[in-house]
Amino acid sequence: EIVLTQSPGTLSLSPGERATLSCRASQRIGTTYLAWYQQKPGQAPRLLIYGASSRATGIPDRFSGSGSGTDFTLTISRLEPEDFAVYYCQQYASSRTFGQGTKVEIK
Amino acid sequence: EVQLLESGGGLVQPGGSLRLSCAASGFTFSKYAMSWVRQAPGKGLEWVSAVNGGGRSTYYADSVKGRFTISRDNSKNTLYLQMNSLRAEDTAVYYCAKDTAYYYDSSGYYLNWGQGTLVTVSS
Repeated sequence: EIVLTQSPGTLSLSPGERATLSCRASQRIGTTYLAWYQQKPGQAPRLLIYGASSRATGIPDRFSGSGSGTDFTLTISRLEPEDFAVYYCQQYASSRTFGQGTKVEIK
Repeated sequence: EVQLLESGGGLVQPGGSLRLSCAASGFTFSKYAMSWVRQAPGKGLEWVSAVNGGGRSTYYADSVKGRFTISRDNSKNTLYLQMNSLRAEDTAVYYCAKDTAYYYDSSGYYLNWGQGTLVTVSS
């Protein structure tokens, strides 16, 4: 099973700041088999990024994904108030697994 | 508009059974693989199971293999998850999610999710 490790566990930032979230895989998953989701309390996850760097329909361009192999990054260029949430990465190179999540909280 | 509506959750004793349903609309149901993903209270997401568009090929996480059965009725646009021998660690919100292709192996991420149904396993 491919294990995804996200860091940090919690990111405390202010609106307008840049957020950088990391997702590391226990084995190589190529350049296209990685997705990112945002989840707010009481809601289902929302797809942000697929194929490591492609934004889903309707996702603002302040969200960007990058990386390949075992190391991937989700960047939020300037945090808006609605961006404070939990973010998960997910691999689909071999079965499907999720990372444990990174909480982006207001500082 | 794609809509996925789960039902069937509730309180069940350890060792008991429950069947979840997911009613789909807004797309050609039989053309897409479908999955179940769960989330224990306060925890992260866990992929549980998937089924190809035709319903013949199924896939399971090791944690539920042999206890859960995924199926679909394309004539009713409905996905099911039969859960047997339930354990306390199966307590979670269960989401159904639409895959991006007919075959599980050709897809992998989830654009569309239901609102979830809570399963609580407790005596």
